[in-house]
Amino acid sequence: SQQGEEDPQALSIQEGENATMNCSYKTSINNLQWYRQNSGRGLVHLILIRSNEREKHSGRLRVTLDTSKKSSSLLITASRAADTASYFCATSGNNRLAFGKGNQVVVIP
Amino acid sequence: NAGVTQTPKFRVLKTGQSMTLLCAQDMNHEYMYWYRQDPGMGLRLIHYSVGEGTTAKGEVPDGYNVSRLKKQNFLLGLESAAPSQTSVYFCASSYVHTDTQYFGPGTRLTVL
Repeated sequence: SQQGEEDPQALSIQEGENATMNCSYKTSINNLQWYRQNSGRGLVHLILIRSNEREKHSGRLRVTLDTSKKSSSLLITASRAADTASYFCATSGNNRLAFGKGNQVVVIP
Repeated sequence: NAGVTQTPKFRVLKTGQSMTLLCAQDMNHEYMYWYRQDPGMGLRLIHYSVGEGTTAKGEVPDGYNVSRLKKQNFLLGLESAAPSQTSVYFCASSYVHTDTQYFGPGTRLTVL
């Protein structure tokens, strides 16, 4: 299955701490994307990393991609209460984007 | 720019009724998608379109039909609703196929 799988499924941290999420997948990909979904809202694109890239930064976000291990990680540094959301990885390949089941992150003020 | 909009936001149907969900985007994107989101299942692709007048099946197309008569609009139809179609439906669009997708706010559909 191409579909990404996030780990851990749920994460609870204190404001100011870092949050790390992992995503594993099974087939070759063109790119891997991370999205955020606040409760009751649509998904918002955070960052895209292509298969020939190993690391990418965007503000407080850092994404790594290891194609040999078929895995990616999303690091949110200095978390804020507003970062409370579900985070999804999505893998691009086979002419479509396949989403994982999501990772619930709660940041406690 | 409004981005991607969806109507309606909520809807309750009885089994066997039909309805159409409308998605509109003002970003001049060629590619548009319909997903459903169920608890514990993530997002699953129903149908997608690679341009005006085209449609293609996704992962879970049964029970749904779509049309893309205008570039900015992508309609999702349920001809005979079933309780299994109770879900939250999201529309998305993209400039490049399977690159960054922009999502609408979703439609929460309940089929009784």
